[in-house]
Amino acid sequence: NAGVTQTPKFRVLKTGQSMTLLCAQDMNHEYMYWYRQDPGMGLRLIHYSVGEGTTAKGEVPDGYNVSRLKKQNFLLGLESAAPSQTSVYFCASSYRTRTSAYNEQFFGPGTRLTVL
Amino acid sequence: EDKVVQSPLSLVVHEGDTVTLNCSYEVTNFRSLLWYKQEKKAPTFLFMLTSSGIEKKSGRLSSILDKKELFSILNITATQTGDSAVYLCAGGTSGTYKYIFGTGTRLKVLA
Repeated sequence: NAGVTQTPKFRVLKTGQSMTLLCAQDMNHEYMYWYRQDPGMGLRLIHYSVGEGTTAKGEVPDGYNVSRLKKQNFLLGLESAAPSQTSVYFCASSYRTRTSAYNEQFFGPGTRLTVL
Repeated sequence: EDKVVQSPLSLVVHEGDTVTLNCSYEVTNFRSLLWYKQEKKAPTFLFMLTSSGIEKKSGRLSSILDKKELFSILNITATQTGDSAVYLCAGGTSGTYKYIFGTGTRLKVLA
C-alpha cells in the first residue's frame, strides 16, 4: 500500500495563478483532510470530507476550494494564488470501524508551495 | 473557540534525560486526543487517548489523559538523538470528525 500520496511535491506560482493539489489514498478511508502548516502555527485545517461527494470548511477555508468526487481522492484548489498561501500543505485520511468512528489520521508527505 | 495549547514551545536536553511534554485543550464535544511526532516531513502517529487515567505506552514513550483537568502529557524516558522532532497533539471533536492541532513542542536531544 502506498498510503497517502500527494502531487506535486513542490510548486512555485505567481500571484493570481491557479492550481490544484491532488491527494490520493489507497486505504479505503472514509475521511480526508487538507491542512496547511506555517512556521509557529502548527497544522491548521483548511477543508475536510467525511465521505464521497461531501465537503466541509475547516479553520482557514478562504481562498481554497475542494472536491471529493471519488472516495480515494481529495483535491485542493487555489483559484487565484496569493503570497499568504505560501505554505506546506498536508493531506490526511482517517477511517471508521464497527466499534469506533474516530481514529488516528494518516498523513501524506506534503506539498511545499511558494507564491511569488 | 476550540483550542489546543502545547508547552513548552521548545526544549533542549541531553541524551538520557527524561522529558515531559504538555498539551491542554478546550474542545467542544471532546472525543479523543492524538499525539504525533514530526521530523522532516509528515507527522507520524504515536498515541490516541480517549479515557482518563489510562496510560498508553510504546517503548520509551508513554502518554496519559486527564479529562477532568483537560490535559495530556507525553513522557519520553532515556532520550536519544533520534527523538529530536516536533511533537504535536490534537483534540478531536465528536460528531464532526475534525481535529484541532496545537502548535507543537520542538524537542532537541544533544549527544
